[in-house]
Amino acid sequence: AQTVTQSQPEMSVQEAETVTLSCTYDTSENNYYLFWYKQPPSRQMILVIRQEAYKQQNATENRFSVNFQKAAKSFSLKISDSQLGDTAMYFCAFSGNQFYFGTGTSLTVIP
Amino acid sequence: DTGVSQDPRHKITKRGQNVTFRCDPISEHNRLYWYRQTLGQGPEFLTYFQNEAQLEKSRLLSDRFSAERPKGSFSTLEIQRTEQGDSAMYLCASSPRTGPTEAFFGQGTRLTVV
Repeated sequence: AQTVTQSQPEMSVQEAETVTLSCTYDTSENNYYLFWYKQPPSRQMILVIRQEAYKQQNATENRFSVNFQKAAKSFSLKISDSQLGDTAMYFCAFSGNQFYFGTGTSLTVIP
Repeated sequence: DTGVSQDPRHKITKRGQNVTFRCDPISEHNRLYWYRQTLGQGPEFLTYFQNEAQLEKSRLLSDRFSAERPKGSFSTLEIQRTEQGDSAMYLCASSPRTGPTEAFFGQGTRLTVV
């Protein structure tokens, strides 16, 4: 069975600074995607960034980038120039034959 | 396309009552997932459908829970004889194909059992 682990329940960062959220996963599948989803308070889950496992190049999306280490089964999210609107729960997710989520990291951006 | 739609957004029910939630996926998405999320936790997988076929159910899904997806379009999740522990956000998501792919989420149905 697949597992997704986020070991940082809560994190905070000063506005305009950079923060990295950690995620590790375990799988025996070869073909999978990894995602970071953002869930603002009482708001809908939205996709932040996606990484296909067969791609060696790390995905980037504006201020968001990932460090994908396939051998180590590690998938961290870096948020640069943090903004107040980045305050949310962040979930790491694995998609193979099915979807699995980590327990989330609550990120607070401090003005 | 308006995205994944869930109805109702909020439901308050008395313990012991039955409730039913509806999810309308994005058109032509053949995968549909149900998740349960409690405060401060990640989504817990309940079940998923490939078209009209229910392919997997979590052990979390007791006999009081049932889900259907007739004709492979919308889906319903029914909880019978609700308990206070059923209070949670119920999320629906859909994806366009089998295998690795992005899931698109609805806004969820928040259930409160009193």
